[in-house]
Amino acid sequence: QKEVEQDPGPLSVPEGAIVSLNCTYSNSAFQYFMWYRQYSRKGPELLMYTYSSGNKEDGRFTAQVDKSSKYISLFIRDSQPSDSATYLCAMSRLTNFNKFYFGSGTKLNVKP
Amino acid sequence: GAVVSQHPSRVICKSGTSVKIECRSLDFQATTMFWYRQFPKQSLMLMATSNEGSKATYEQGVEKDKFLINHASLTLSTLTVTSAHPEDSSFYICSARYTGGMTGELFFGEGSRLTVL
Repeated sequence: QKEVEQDPGPLSVPEGAIVSLNCTYSNSAFQYFMWYRQYSRKGPELLMYTYSSGNKEDGRFTAQVDKSSKYISLFIRDSQPSDSATYLCAMSRLTNFNKFYFGSGTKLNVKP
Repeated sequence: GAVVSQHPSRVICKSGTSVKIECRSLDFQATTMFWYRQFPKQSLMLMATSNEGSKATYEQGVEKDKFLINHASLTLSTLTVTSAHPEDSSFYICSARYTGGMTGELFFGEGSRLTVL
């Protein structure tokens, strides 16, 4: 079983829709959670970073962490065609600051 | 956010030659940088962890003599693909963990696409 599971998609939504992207994980020691957006042939761009549980909002993006369920989500409101990309989740433990675990990425397509 | 710059973004070389890719943290010092390889439609595969002033730590299955990593300063790490072959053609990405505060976010470079003819 992988440490981090992420549905590869593709996920196709109409412009303006609310998008929900999710990852599940197996290691309860994960404390740092990140979401990245990666356009084709580009490096991943950090969108959201959260520590431990709770919600964090930044513009149209909301990151949610539910440690009891080992489940993290990224919500995109009012989705735009420019949001079409692959979204990667990543996480790490407090005790091993330099070891990151990545999801396989979900490909999102927002149709105009 | 913090910026990690990678150069070149694209490189084409002949089989048997060596290619160097640079990764710089532009506005913070990075004692540790990471090198990844990404195949089409796949996630990131960690190749090695680069430590400033010491030897890199390679992941299992990654040839250290093939992929030479040097982290000579707190803002620069280089990856040299030696005696490149067509199977080394790939997208290589570096990253660095921000150490300017308590947050420790991981930032990525723009990636370098290597094509070996």
